Parts: sequence; structure tokens; C-alpha cells
Amino acid sequence: NAGVTQTPKFQVLKTGQSMTLQCAQDMNHEYMSWYRQDPGMGLRLIHYSVGAGITDQGEVPNGYNVSRSTTEDFPLRLLSAAPSQTSVYFCASSYSGTASTSGRAADTQYFGPGTRLTVL
Amino acid sequence: DQQVKQNSPSLSVQEGRISILNCDYTNSMFDYFLWYKKYPAEGPTFLISISSIKDKNEDGRFTVFLNKSAKHLSLHIVPSQPGDSAVYFCAASALGATNKLIFGTGTLLAVQP
Repeated sequence: NAGVTQTPKFQVLKTGQSMTLQCAQDMNHEYMSWYRQDPGMGLRLIHYSVGAGITDQGEVPNGYNVSRSTTEDFPLRLLSAAPSQTSVYFCASSYSGTASTSGRAADTQYFGPGTRLTVL
Repeated sequence: DQQVKQNSPSLSVQEGRISILNCDYTNSMFDYFLWYKKYPAEGPTFLISISSIKDKNEDGRFTVFLNKSAKHLSLHIVPSQPGDSAVYFCAASALGATNKLIFGTGTLLAVQP
């Protein structure tokens, strides 16, 4: 199993450019999520999905779009990048609530290695 | 407002001694708490968790204590090893919002040989 994979590892954008951060998992997890990590802020939830075709907003969703057409993939789209979106982005996945040890989907998440994004 | 707080940005301990990492929360709806460990250039990895119906959970060298009245939890690592050097994040989720994890800002633990 590759686990959770993210591409690219690094990216530099100019203000106003668009791009998609890719995330894939091969563990047949239903729950997937995107976080951003900023200095002094910890990890903040951007968007999450509890299954194919179902997405919802987290704490900081503005400026980001997501879709979930398959169980394996959960891409994060920046439509018009801004310097405030400079951050490290982590994708994560876990079993659904009924299948997880705690009975809750978001708890024991497996994280990808991250994408470091700089917006100039 | 920060619902999960880790007030110590860093902690340094000697190898073999106990490491105690602290976490405070403000939301009384939180009922499940976790600790994640993160090495540089890697994603966080799950370490240990505790439900609010318990006050202690142990897994090998790692023990998490929960004090609900004080809205405080702590992670004890005994004995500490150099390989434990990492950033530790406390996280919480709430009944009724179990799809969302709220993370603290992290504590950098350095275990000196």
C-alpha cells in the first residue's frame, strides 16, 4: 500500500494563478480531508468528504474548491491564488464512522507527506 | 479563537526522563481527544487517543490523561527517547461534529541524548 500520496511536493505560484493539489489513497477509506498548516496556527481543516460525491466545508474553506468523484481521489483546487494561501497542505484519510475503531470518521486519520505551496 | 491550546511551543528533556506535554481546550462539547506526532517534512501520524468517558489511556511508553473539569489533557512519555523528538499536536472532536478535528498549535519536543 502506498497510503496517502500527494503531488506536487513543492509549488510556487503567482497571485491569481490557479492550480490543483492532488491527493490519492489506496486504503479504500471513505473519509478524506484537506488541512493547511501555518506557523503558530496548527492544522486547520479546509474541506472534507465522507464518501464519493459528498463534500463539506471545514474551518477555512474560502478560496478553495473540492470534489470527490471516486473513493481514491480528493483534489483541492485553488481558483485564484493569493499570498495568504502560502502554506503547507496536508491531505488525510480514514475509515468511515461505522468502520473506525472509535466509531467516528475523522479521528484516526492517515496523513500524506504534504505539499509546500508558495504564492508570490 | 483557539479552541484547543498548547501553550508550550517547545520542551526539552533528557533521554530516559519523563516528557509531559500539555493541552487545554475551551469547547465543552469536545468528547474525543487525540495526540498526533509529526516529524519534519512528513505528515502527522496518530499516536494515542482518549474518550471523555475515561480519564486515562495507556499504550506502551505513552499515556494520555484527561481532566474534564479542568478541560485539560496531557501526554506522558516514559522513558523519553531521542527518536521521540518531533512536534506533538493535540486534537479534539465534538459529538455532533465528529467529522471535524480541531488541532492545537503543537509542541516541539527535543529529547537530548
